[in-house]
Amino acid sequence: GESVGLHLPTLSVQEGDNSIINCAYSNSASDYFIWYKQESGKGPQFIIDIRSNMDKRQGQRVTVLLNKTVKHLSLQIAATQPGDSAVYFCAEIFVYGQNFVFGPGTRLSVLP
Amino acid sequence: EPEVTQTPSHQVTQMGQEVILRCVPISNHLYFYWYRQILGQKVEFLVSFYNNEISEKSEIFDDQFSVERPDGSNFTLKIRSTKLEDSAMYFCASRLEELAKNIQYFGAGTRLSVL
Repeated sequence: GESVGLHLPTLSVQEGDNSIINCAYSNSASDYFIWYKQESGKGPQFIIDIRSNMDKRQGQRVTVLLNKTVKHLSLQIAATQPGDSAVYFCAEIFVYGQNFVFGPGTRLSVLP
Repeated sequence: EPEVTQTPSHQVTQMGQEVILRCVPISNHLYFYWYRQILGQKVEFLVSFYNNEISEKSEIFDDQFSVERPDGSNFTLKIRSTKLEDSAMYFCASRLEELAKNIQYFGAGTRLSVL
């Protein structure tokens, strides 16, 4: 499959450790944020979302934190597994616009 | 689980030729999108489509691009006269209207190679 994001920042973690991926967003009026996972050769896949009136949301093994003061979003993955290796994008959306604005992405590499 | 399907997975064309990229969105979805991703770069919005018309488009989506939903199931992106810089992965996405489920589902993409 295609190798996406050859020059992306990379986060390397040991299998079983927790991962934290960060994202700075641009529009203070954005009211919805989503984390996507993109594996090589595939399209972005939804992981978790959060509305701007929240500061934390938990899913299965994942937690998203939103800090609107500094326009910062993070994705925490607990007990990282080899299958978590991928490029992770945050996306912001202003609800009355319909397109997503994607961040540049971070490559997560899980070491055995 | 329903999914967005895109064909072909890889399209090779000569510069100046027209290409049509095809997408079948999830059947009950109402909003449709095209994005592109140049190798090594982030995903970029091209166009959104609702109720049989373009609702929003980016600067990238110039007169060389057009979209169509010809038959109620397919959603196509046409590039009239391809340029070398059109080489990229093109992703189709669709979503339901409900704001509470404001999630776009992406297809696997079509790799366009312009020679």
